Amino acid sequence: GDSVTQTEGPVTVSESESLIINCTYSATSIAYPNLFWYVRYPGEGLQLLLKVITAGQKGSSRGFEATYNKETTSFHLQKASVQESDSAVYYCALGPGATGGNNKLTFGQGTVLSVIP
Amino acid sequence: GGIITQTPKFLIGQEGQKLTLKCQQNFNHDTMYWYRQDSGKGLRLIYYSITENDLQKGDLSEGYDASREKKSSFSLTVTSAQKNEMAVFLCASLDWGKDTQYFGPGTRLLVL
Repeated sequence: GDSVTQTEGPVTVSESESLIINCTYSATSIAYPNLFWYVRYPGEGLQLLLKVITAGQKGSSRGFEATYNKETTSFHLQKASVQESDSAVYYCALGPGATGGNNKLTFGQGTVLSVIP
Repeated sequence: GGIITQTPKFLIGQEGQKLTLKCQQNFNHDTMYWYRQDSGKGLRLIYYSITENDLQKGDLSEGYDASREKKSSFSLTVTSAQKNEMAVFLCASLDWGKDTQYFGPGTRLLVL
């Protein structure tokens, strides 16, 4: 089946440092998966951070970036300079997109990020 | 904008008990989902519903029933709660046009 593996947490970084959270995927049932990063901030619900539907493209939001690499089956999340407000749990996910009939998402296990001021 | 509400926020049950979780959305989305999240693990799909009156099993459907009473509501029943079970249940609905799922705040379950 499909699967997503991401950086084991917790990850702790100091404010203004750079960040990378790794995500690799295996899409055995989907030829051209859509890739997502979801985030859950403390006290809030899960929400979409960014998504990319085309291999080779980059998505960005709130200073975060992720590039869809079909060759390495990766979708790593990066930020050049983190802030304390970025402390959250980050989830990488894949899905079939609108042609998939049900848009079922497969999630990674989540990575807890703590940013120290 | 819209919102997804889940009730109750916390649910404490007894072993063997049947427990029902409710989800309401006012996005007017056709497709809705129930996920389970255990500590340190990703979300796992329990049931989903493409549209009103439709039910589809996910990867984790054993031990659960679901009901899509109307377009705006989707309920999940734990048919027999397992002792020491602890998890968060998340409801979501899909904006097909944006290919984006919107999530509710979750129901935390604890079985004594």
